[in-house]
Amino acid sequence: DSGVTQTPKHLITATGQRVTLRCSPRSGDLSVYWYQQSLDQGLQFLIQYYNGEERAKGNILERFSAQQFPDLHSELNLSSLELGDSALYFCASSSRTGASTEQFFGPGTRLTVL
Amino acid sequence: AQKVTQAQTEISVVEKEDVTLDCVYETRDTTYYLFWYKQPPSGELVFLIRRNSFDEQNEISGRYSWNFQKSTSSFNFTITASQVVDSAVYFCALSEAANNNDMRFGAGTRLTVKP
Repeated sequence: DSGVTQTPKHLITATGQRVTLRCSPRSGDLSVYWYQQSLDQGLQFLIQYYNGEERAKGNILERFSAQQFPDLHSELNLSSLELGDSALYFCASSSRTGASTEQFFGPGTRLTVL
Repeated sequence: AQKVTQAQTEISVVEKEDVTLDCVYETRDTTYYLFWYKQPPSGELVFLIRRNSFDEQNEISGRYSWNFQKSTSSFNFTITASQVVDSAVYFCALSEAANNNDMRFGAGTRLTVKP
């Protein structure tokens, strides 16, 4: 158990809908990262927050947004969902930021868009 | 941009065999970091090791060992005397100092260890 929690574990929704995925980092970690894992794209970095501020952006679609709250938990919002958004979404956390930082991953949220 | 290639999509071995998972990377940065993560059937990614570009010493941790060779841009992972519990998908990842927080993962290698 990495200490990173994600809810919900599974989410099934329809195209065009909007969902929110939630992540609580390990105690004391200031950085939160979001990743998408799909069969065709593999594991892709989406976005990172550090102590409430956006720090880095990867291959995140404009329909997706995220934020980190004062208590350091983070939410990933996915809107106008498409079939191709079906994937496993991981949150990771780390105590600091930077390229050398190892990240600790949560169990993931499996999103199915029908 | 950085890139990680794990050419072996799937590997199957019998318990107690040694197995090496290959990882080849591309980067223009002189300062970078390499990682290995394990994704067991439960789905959660587990951090195994981090290596920086200035440290080419090989590392051994129990049955696990890593061979980092800058000359061939490779960071291979060997499991000695494999066990059924080693069955998982293993990911190699690269992070460049210049790109700070954009960690690039390889496609992963699915290892199946049969009893």
